Amino acid sequence: EDKVVQSPLSLVVHEGDTVTLNCSYEVTNFRSLLWYKQEKKAPTFLFMLTSSGIEKKSGRLSSILDKKELFSILNITATQTGDSAVYLCAVVVYGQNFVFGPGTRLSVLP
Amino acid sequence: DAGVIQSPRHEVTEMGQEVTLRCKPISGHNSLFWYRQTMMRGLELLIYFNNNVPIDDSGMPEDRFSAKMPNASFSTLKIQPSEPRDSAVYFCASSPPDRRNEKLFFGSGTQLSVL
Repeated sequence: EDKVVQSPLSLVVHEGDTVTLNCSYEVTNFRSLLWYKQEKKAPTFLFMLTSSGIEKKSGRLSSILDKKELFSILNITATQTGDSAVYLCAVVVYGQNFVFGPGTRLSVLP
Repeated sequence: DAGVIQSPRHEVTEMGQEVTLRCKPISGHNSLFWYRQTMMRGLELLIYFNNNVPIDDSGMPEDRFSAKMPNASFSTLKIQPSEPRDSAVYFCASSPPDRRNEKLFFGSGTQLSVL
């Protein structure tokens, strides 16, 4: 059975801290890995990763994939209260199925 | 671009009633997904369609749940009869056919409360 695990499940930091969120997976027929941010309602897309070792960046957020060790990390530097959200990792497998992890709930305190 | 459109946004019903959730995917997208989200279980895939054909419905909890996609621009998820444990946020999402852009675009969700 395809499985995606995220850690930690919950994290509380102060503004300005740097955080690293982890996502590991065990799937057959891996196609890509996605990161989403979910605030009050629908998840919104952050990154799509398909190749190992190539960092994707968007402002203070960055992510990288390791297909040999089957994991990805999402880094957020200089965190702000607006970064408070649930961060979801999803793996796309053959057949265009998206397998989601449980999410990491990040709380950034002022 | 209107995005994925779901209705209703909120639904409160009594146990035993039929509930129908609706979804309009983004035009040009060929895959449509129904997810359920709860605090306890996170995001669970219920069913997904590719080119209007159900591909995987193994996540549908039981026979009380059914989903249809009569055409490329409309899908429904029906619960009959509803039970309190069905209370959750139900998301519809669509995905384009371009494999290089293979990501999910979510609707705003339907908050379902079964009393």
